[in-house]
Amino acid sequence: GENVEQHPSTLSVQEGDSAVIKCTYSDSASNYFPWYKQELGKRPQLIIDIRSNVGEKKDQRIAVTLNKTAKHFSLHITETQPEDSAVYFCAASGGADGLTFGKGTHLIIQP
Amino acid sequence: KAGVTQTPRYLIKTRGQQVTLSCSPISGHRSVSWYQQTPGQGLQFLFEYFSETQRNKGNFPGRFSGRQFSNSRSEMNVSTLELGDSALYLCASSLALEANEQFFGPGTRLTVL
Repeated sequence: GENVEQHPSTLSVQEGDSAVIKCTYSDSASNYFPWYKQELGKRPQLIIDIRSNVGEKKDQRIAVTLNKTAKHFSLHITETQPEDSAVYFCAASGGADGLTFGKGTHLIIQP
Repeated sequence: KAGVTQTPRYLIKTRGQQVTLSCSPISGHRSVSWYQQTPGQGLQFLFEYFSETQRNKGNFPGRFSGRQFSNSRSEMNVSTLELGDSALYLCASSLALEANEQFFGPGTRLTVL
């Protein structure tokens, strides 16, 4: 089955700086890669996703890049703000195993 | 459009009991997936239902089961509860199977004593 590795587990950045979270996947058949944000005590919320026929996708301060050859994808958040503090999960899908999630990255925005 | 809803939000059970959790998807969504979230294992896929049929299943024992009704609402059942079943159980709905945006419900927090 699919295996998704996510790094780092904790990321602390100064407000206004950029944050990058990286994930690798194992199954070359995976073709859909969403990112979720989960605030404490709340449900995971889809913030951006990318499909395997696209290399990069951007939505305001958030961007995701995908390298199919290397089987890795990354989340980039620019001009970080206090409300960006949360746990971020990457995931991969495409086969018969639903979404396979990474272990999560706790993003801390320092004022 | 109303989001995904789950009931109950909190449950406390004892070992050996069974439990049934309910999920109502976003209107028009036909696929419902269930996930278990724990601090140690993160988010793990349990199963996915589409058109009242289980389409995919994760690596969980047979004590975990589910079903989907004709209105796309889904239930999951856990029998013979163990302490390790304590977790947040999340359901997610999507328009169709596989490789589609999934939207999560608020979850059911199950505590097994």
